[in-house]
Amino acid sequence: EAGVAQSPRYKIIEKRQSVAFWCNPISGHATLYWYQQILGQGPKLLIQFQNNGVVDDSQLPKDRFSAERLKGVDSTLKIQPAKLEDSAVYLCASSHKRESGLRTDTQYFGPGTRLTVL
Amino acid sequence: DAKTTQPNSMESNEEEPVHLPCNHSTISGTDYIHWYRQLPSQGPEYVIHGLTSNVNNRMASLAIAEDRKSSTLILHRATLRDAAVYYCILRAPYTGNQFYFGTGTSLTVIP
Repeated sequence: EAGVAQSPRYKIIEKRQSVAFWCNPISGHATLYWYQQILGQGPKLLIQFQNNGVVDDSQLPKDRFSAERLKGVDSTLKIQPAKLEDSAVYLCASSHKRESGLRTDTQYFGPGTRLTVL
Repeated sequence: DAKTTQPNSMESNEEEPVHLPCNHSTISGTDYIHWYRQLPSQGPEYVIHGLTSNVNNRMASLAIAEDRKSSTLILHRATLRDAAVYYCILRAPYTGNQFYFGTGTSLTVIP
């Protein structure tokens, strides 16, 4: 089974520029998440989709960040304009609502995109 | 979501057992205890989870205190590939899939 795919793996931009990240979840997974992980910290949830609807975006800085999940499969996360403090690894994860009858909601993470804002 | 407390770092010799502790004194009766780990330059990966009883799988064992205020992830025989940051996470089963990661425990395995 293919894992969660993300691209690009690395991105370097200057502040005030725009950037977009792409995520392809595991086939059949209805729930998709975007996390931001700043160096030395644990991942922080930015947004959660259930199919193509937003379940939780309370931690998403909506003045500069946006995300969409068209057709309930792939997703893109955009930052416009970027700030220095946006330098981080952006992780995408996906999950089933239930697995084998257990409400485990195990999340499967992609390798992440490392963003550096200069 | 209830918070967890983990040591910032631990060391273990290769091929020896490792016990990674986690305190969660404010855990509620329905919170599941999840453990994930993050190897260098990779996304987190699932290790194990449990509710009340001790759990075993091919990767590790999870020992849960009787009062559920603490738990211990046990790696039975540490290898160099187990060097990672280990996160202990509490999650209520009915409030969505939000995972709140702390800073975790950075495990160093010494050859």
